[in-house]
Amino acid sequence: GAVVSQHPSWVICKSGTSVKIECRSLDFQATTMFWYRQFPKQSLMLMATSNEGSKATYEQGVEKDKFLINHASLTLSTLTVTSAHPEDSSFYICSARQGINSPLHFGNGTRLTVT
Amino acid sequence: QKEVEQDPGPLSVPEGAIVSLNCTYSNSAFQYFMWYRQYSRKGPELLMYTYSSGNKEDGRFTAQVDKSSKYISLFIRDSQPSDSATYLCASTNPSNDYKLSFGAGTTVTVRA
Repeated sequence: GAVVSQHPSWVICKSGTSVKIECRSLDFQATTMFWYRQFPKQSLMLMATSNEGSKATYEQGVEKDKFLINHASLTLSTLTVTSAHPEDSSFYICSARQGINSPLHFGNGTRLTVT
Repeated sequence: QKEVEQDPGPLSVPEGAIVSLNCTYSNSAFQYFMWYRQYSRKGPELLMYTYSSGNKEDGRFTAQVDKSSKYISLFIRDSQPSDSATYLCASTNPSNDYKLSFGAGTTVTVRA
């Protein structure tokens, strides 16, 4: 089956630093990747949509300058949390699909803790 | 009103029972329907992916879609403790670049 690999699985950083999270589709080419955020006991909240070779589209309320997304190839997207603060601590999950009629496959998430 | 409504539970059943999960959706344009299983601190795992009204079976899992009533279901037969997880229903919206609309997720515990 389709595999999406996300790294790191967890990261602790100090307030004010930046953190990069990688998302790779291992056995398919992902025309679109999505980044989600999930708070405890809540459903997934879409942050942004990333199409290969073009700028990401951010959902309302998501700061594009804080959450930088790059989708440089059909198998790799990165999310950089810039100048992280404790309120950015959360579970970030990427997902990828091959085409608009294809199912969405998720990575295993990255737990970010900002101290 | 949320686009996809799902009872968050929690739902607790004895081992071997049938687990029945349901969602309703409001937009008749929704096309594809998915069920995901999410274990604690992990990403969602795709269980079922359907398009048409009707049933789709995969092992112990059966997904059911009724587009006329905008109702989707997932049944888990012979439930096992390893089925204990949160189950999320989702649907794609063609008018929104086929982005997924998720239900709130139902937490299921299968008691040994």
